[in-house]
Amino acid sequence: IQLTQSPSSLSASVGDRVTITCRASQGISSYLAWYQQKPGKAPKLLIYAASTLQSGVPSRFSGSGSGTDFTLTISSLQPEDFATYYCQQLNSYPRALTFGGGTKVEIK
Amino acid sequence: QVQLQESGPGLVKPSGTLSLTCAVSGGSISSSNWWSWVRQPPGKGLEWIGEIYHSGSTNYNPSLKSRVTISVDKSKNQFSLKVSSVTAADTAVYYCAINSYYYMEVWGKGTTVTVSS
Repeated sequence: IQLTQSPSSLSASVGDRVTITCRASQGISSYLAWYQQKPGKAPKLLIYAASTLQSGVPSRFSGSGSGTDFTLTISSLQPEDFATYYCQQLNSYPRALTFGGGTKVEIK
Repeated sequence: QVQLQESGPGLVKPSGTLSLTCAVSGGSISSSNWWSWVRQPPGKGLEWIGEIYHSGSTNYNPSLKSRVTISVDKSKNQFSLKVSSVTAADTAVYYCAINSYYYMEVWGKGTTVTVSS
């Protein structure tokens, strides 16, 4: 199963609403997670099960979708949100994990 | 809070074997989690390499399966990665992580491995 993220990059301003899309080549139910990665740092889990916010993650982050189409939304972009975002899915059988190509969110 | 720390040589010669270890602290490797390796080539995205359960059961990325071995050492509370026949394409930051079923909740800080003669 392949994951295609779009866009690959975007420019936005502080306060903007940002939406990132992740499309799976086959249905994956809700086995989808989102991560944030800043330069030189390990990825950080934001959302799992497509829409469940990881503990400690600000509520401006939200996820939705099921099957093949998923969305990560940042309701009001903050300076600390400029980073690269990855989706990741589980293929149940045979068990394998796959990441999307990433979306870089840059300052406009 | 469980913490992970990768260690191993930062430089490996082409055709050699890359060997890394991930030490687990603040928790037991025998807990009900999968333990993963992920890598990131310079300027590129994340690639899942494979995972192991404390029982020794493993799953690998099909694109790397022929060259990768992941093992667990319960006595040392750590797990390890070996990648054989390395080339420059294996140059990357290598991360270890804990899978809660499929999503990676805790990550190590990563270690850079360069393949060069």
